[in-house]
Amino acid sequence: NAGVMQNPRHLVRRRGQEARLRCSPMKGHSHVYWYRQLPEEGLKFMVYLQKENIIDESGMPKERFSAEFPKEGPSILRIQQVVRGDSAAYFCASSFRDSENNEQFFGPGTRLTVL
Amino acid sequence: AQSVAQPEDQVNVAEGNPLTVKCTYSVSGNPYLFWYVQYPNRGLQFLLKYITGDNLVKGSYGFEAEFNKSQTSFHLKKPSALVSDSALYFCAVRAVMEYGNKLVFGAGTILRVKS
Repeated sequence: NAGVMQNPRHLVRRRGQEARLRCSPMKGHSHVYWYRQLPEEGLKFMVYLQKENIIDESGMPKERFSAEFPKEGPSILRIQQVVRGDSAAYFCASSFRDSENNEQFFGPGTRLTVL
Repeated sequence: AQSVAQPEDQVNVAEGNPLTVKCTYSVSGNPYLFWYVQYPNRGLQFLLKYITGDNLVKGSYGFEAEFNKSQTSFHLKKPSALVSDSALYFCAVRAVMEYGNKLVFGAGTILRVKS
């Protein structure tokens, strides 16, 4: 059973370009969470999605950031017009259910560098 | 609001000695607590969780954590440290939200085990 997969592992963009980060949850998991880890900081929640639905996006910046989890295919975190402050590691996690006692399984992350 | 504090940025311990990585939390309602470990350029790996039951929780790689309700603490422990335990450790609490259950992470503690 493959774990959570994220690609690309490393992404370099110039200011103003778009970044697309992909996450394939573990088999059988329909709940996806995105977190951002800024240098020397802990992970901060961004968004929680179920298939075709955004459930909680309270951690997402209001502008330039969007996320989706289509019926078929991976979850996508999209950052438009990237700025240097977007440089971070972006982690995706998935769970079988969204209950309190279900741990989230994390992917290896995508490290975004904005030049 | 839920929060997690890891008061030590770094913990140094000699190989073979016991180790403790501290974590305190603030949460409304029942706490659901987790420890994750992150190796360089890798994603987070789940170590253990406390949901209910025994205050001493045993997890992966010989780690355990003690839940102390009166002190609102969930310290990570290991009787005998290994050099390979050197990594970044995150304590997290599950925040029960109106929509979904996100993880709130501490800032992390670097554990260095020296031979």
